Amino acid sequence: SQTIHQWPATLVQPVGSPLSLECTVEGTSNPNLYWYRQAAGRGLQLLFYSVGIGQISSEVPQNLSASRPQDRQFILSSKKLLLSDSGFYLCAWSVGAISSYEQYFGPGTRLTVT
Amino acid sequence: GQSLEQPSEVTAVEGAIVQINCTYQTSGFYGLSWYQQHDGGAPTFLSYNALDGLEETGRFSSFLSRSDSYGYLLLQELQMKDSASYFCAVANSGNTPLVFGKGTRLSVIA
Repeated sequence: SQTIHQWPATLVQPVGSPLSLECTVEGTSNPNLYWYRQAAGRGLQLLFYSVGIGQISSEVPQNLSASRPQDRQFILSSKKLLLSDSGFYLCAWSVGAISSYEQYFGPGTRLTVT
Repeated sequence: GQSLEQPSEVTAVEGAIVQINCTYQTSGFYGLSWYQQHDGGAPTFLSYNALDGLEETGRFSSFLSRSDSYGYLLLQELQMKDSASYFCAVANSGNTPLVFGKGTRLSVIA
């Protein structure tokens, strides 16, 4: 069966520090991968998506970046965190078209920037 | 552009029926999905409608009217555990990911 892992589960970082969040998927090949951010009590904001290794599409210009070094690994990074980067970061995967109606979400990383 | 509208909050009584509406504006509409998210948890897929009509999955049903650009999620025999946020999401025929609504927070009260 397929599983998706995210780590760390929680993170507290000072403003201006770097960030690296990792997401890995098991049990499937060639998944589409997504990064979302969710502010407290708010909706899901799509940040990046990827259809394959090294292929990254950005939805929102910001100080974040994403990379996909391996088929089932998706990394979200920042060189210098801002207070506004605080939120709940969710990784998701799907199969088939990038517009697939069914996405499977990881447990998320709660980031607090202080 | 694309937009989805759903109520921000709904409150209903345990055992009752509640309907969460979603209207959308998009080009290349393909279908409407629904997701549930409990506080602190990850969203989970509930249902998908590509054709007009009602899809039933246990206590949950989802409806779509393509001509009205409208859909809803119907939850029957509400239980306290149904308290969560519910998101509608549009799938487009273009090569773009799902677009999520802002979510409806459902509170089930005794």
